[in-house]
Amino acid sequence: GEDVEQSLFLSVREGDSSVINCTYTDSSSTYLYWYKQEPGAGLQLLTYIFSNMDMKQDQRLTVLLNKKDKHLSLRIADTQTGDSAIYFCAETYSGAGSYQLTFGKGTKLSVIP
Amino acid sequence: DVKVTQSSRYLVKRTGEKVFLECVQDMDHENMFWYRQDPGLGLRLIYFSYDVKMKEKGDIPEGYSVSREKKERFSLILESASTNQTSMYLCASSSEEERTSASGELFFGEGSRLTVL
Repeated sequence: GEDVEQSLFLSVREGDSSVINCTYTDSSSTYLYWYKQEPGAGLQLLTYIFSNMDMKQDQRLTVLLNKKDKHLSLRIADTQTGDSAIYFCAETYSGAGSYQLTFGKGTKLSVIP
Repeated sequence: DVKVTQSSRYLVKRTGEKVFLECVQDMDHENMFWYRQDPGLGLRLIYFSYDVKMKEKGDIPEGYSVSREKKERFSLILESASTNQTSMYLCASSSEEERTSASGELFFGEGSRLTVL
């Protein structure tokens, strides 16, 4: 079945760049997503990328997609303590005429002041 | 401001009790979902619904049931709670347009942390 893999932990110093990596298996994925979960809260969509794009930039966030290797990354420039959260990679897959999201296990980003 | 509200943030129940987790959304979304979140396992889909009175099993439906009597409300039911159902439960919703276009944005509630003793 569909699978999304990401490392569980990442620790960076405030002001450095963070790079969170993800691999996925469904080559027919249309969209790939990054969700952010702050402590004690639900998930919020951070950004997404169409599968026909290689890169998407939004302020401090850069998403890179390598379709050949099925690799997705999220780069956060000038990481701040407020960026400490769990980041989930997700992909769409189709089943029974509808689309579902498959989530990775989440990467917990810790920002050291 | 869009909102998905889960009525209970924290619950403590005993083994064998019946548990209701309520979720209400105010965005007129057709689609609603229940996930559980466990450390090291991420999010796993329990049940989802694309319409009133409609339900579909997700990846881990065993030990759970759901009810969708009204469009805005999706309830998760644990008929007889067990200790292995101790978890964080997350409700989410999305619009039908999002689902069929596969743009896929889900709106999540803040979660209900259930402890079964």
